[in-house]
Amino acid sequence: SQELEQSPQSLIVQEGKNLTINCTSSKTLYGLYWYKQKYGEGLIFLMMLQKGGEEKSHEKITAKLDEKKQQSSLHITASQPSHAGIYLCGADSGGTYKYIFGTGTRLKVLA
Amino acid sequence: ETGVTQTPRHLVMGMTNKKSLKCEQHLGHNAMYWYKQSAKKPLELMFVYSLEERVENNSVPSRFSPECPNSSHLFLHLHTLQPEDSALYLCASSQVRVLSNQPQHFGDGTRLSIL
Repeated sequence: SQELEQSPQSLIVQEGKNLTINCTSSKTLYGLYWYKQKYGEGLIFLMMLQKGGEEKSHEKITAKLDEKKQQSSLHITASQPSHAGIYLCGADSGGTYKYIFGTGTRLKVLA
Repeated sequence: ETGVTQTPRHLVMGMTNKKSLKCEQHLGHNAMYWYKQSAKKPLELMFVYSLEERVENNSVPSRFSPECPNSSHLFLHLHTLQPEDSALYLCASSQVRVLSNQPQHFGDGTRLSIL
């Protein structure tokens, strides 16, 4: 079965620093989604990537999907305390209702 | 109105109680989902409903019983739960299309604690 592995598991950065979170799939991705979750709350949809080489940006967050469609990265530029939370990647694993998720990356931004 | 609303936000119950979790989506989506989120584990898909019919049941114990009366509402009925069922239960909805899925939209979850 397909799995998503995220790295790092946790990250602490100083405000203003850039950071990158990676998501690697054991199989080709049909659709890759990035979500942000605050502790004890629901997931907030950030971006969706479907094509190899695709890159999308929203404010200071950029996500890319590699050409082989097996790895995605999420890059935050000039991090702020508001970026703190858990970032999860999710994927459409090929079946109509089969979504899978990584274990998440916990981000803390120090002011 | 937010896209996906879950109630209650917090629930504490004994192992012999019966309770229900409620989810409502205002996005016009055709599929709804229940997920369980436990500490340090990936999200676990429990149930999927499409057009009010259950299409996926990932071997969930019978003490969890879903109900989908219409495309906007989803319930999770709970009875005789175990301590290991304590978790955050998330509801999601999405628009499922023939050739591609769309991202899921999540509610804020119900934090369930079993005494």
